Formats: sequence, C-alpha cells, structure tokens
Amino acid sequence: GENVEQHPSTLSVQEGDSAVIKCTYSDSASNYFPWYKQELGKRPQLIIDIRSNVGEKKDQRIAVTLNKTAKHFSLHITETQPEDSAVYFCAGHQLTFGSGTQLTVLP
Amino acid sequence: EAGVAQSPRYKIIEKRQSVAFWCNPISGHATLYWYQQILGQGPKLLIQFQNNGVVDDSQLPKDRFSAERLKGVDSTLKIQPAKLEDSAVYLCASSLLGTTTDTQYFGPGTRLTVL
Repeated sequence: GENVEQHPSTLSVQEGDSAVIKCTYSDSASNYFPWYKQELGKRPQLIIDIRSNVGEKKDQRIAVTLNKTAKHFSLHITETQPEDSAVYFCAGHQLTFGSGTQLTVLP
Repeated sequence: EAGVAQSPRYKIIEKRQSVAFWCNPISGHATLYWYQQILGQGPKLLIQFQNNGVVDDSQLPKDRFSAERLKGVDSTLKIQPAKLEDSAVYLCASSLLGTTTDTQYFGPGTRLTVL
C-alpha cells in the first residue's frame, strides 16, 4: 500500500517568514495530493490540493509543488501569520495521511 | 450547505464496554469514510462506503469494529468490546463521488476515551 512520510514534525517560524512542509510518497499511481489544516480540537480542513497533471498550484499565500519523478510534494506558506499556527497533514493515494507537522508562527 | 454531522461529540467508556458513533454525510454525497485519529497522528482510514456498499475495509479491526450504511445515507460505527488503545477521535468524512481526486469533507469527530 501507499506510504506517506511528512517532514518536519514541528516547525517554528517568525511572523512574516515562509514555511515549507514536505511529503514523500511511495505509490507511483498516486494522482491527487491534498493538504489539510487542523486546529486544536477541530476537524481537518482542506486548504489546497494538486493533481498529478500539474507541477504547481497557488492560492494567495499558499502554494503546493509536485515532483512526480522524485515522488514528493511540498506545501509553501508565505508571509506567515499567527492564525496559520496549526497541524498540517498531507495525504496521498489510498487515503493515506502523513504524520502531521505542528506549525507555530511566533509573533 | 450543511456539513457532515457526527454524534456524540464525546464519549467516555470503560474497557470491554461497547460504543456506537453516528454520522450523517453531506446531502447527495455517495461516499462516506470513517477514520481513526490517535493523538499526535494523522487520520487512519478504517472503512470507505460507496452508497451502501463497502469499498475498502482493509484497516478495520473486524474482530471488534463494525460499520454499516444501510440506506446509503447515515452510517454507524461500533466498537465491541473496546480496548484502551481505541482511545482516539473518530472522524467521519464524505465526498460527492468517491473518486481518487474527489474532495473529502470532514465532520467534527467523536472523541472516545476508554478507561
């Protein structure tokens, strides 16, 4: 089955800086890569996704890049704000989630 | 548009007891998922339904967990008997078609504590 590895497990950045979270996957058949944000005690919410026919997708301060050859995809958050603090999960094929990244944006 | 509804939101039971969770997906969504999220981990898929049929239950511990979606709408997940390691948040999600590129919408979850 699919194996999704996510790094780093924790990330602290200063407000206004950029944050990057990376995931690698094992199943070459994977064709859809969503990213979820989960605030403490709340449900995961989709923030951005990318399909395998594109290499990059952007939505305001959030972007996702995909490298199919290397089997990895990354979440980029620019101009971070304190409200970006949360746990971020990537997911791959067969609905396999990464282990999560706790992002803390320091004011 | 109403979201995915789950109940109860919290449940505390003793080991060896049984418990059931209920989920009502977004209206018109054919696919329903149950996930287990242990503290500090990502959600793990337990079972996926397409209408009232099971698509994937490979990670469901069938000796103690069961799930049904009788009329292709609401679903229940049952644990009997519960173990300490079942303490987790149980998330229900739904999607319109259930294809590999379909967006999933999550419910608020049920936090289960097994003592």
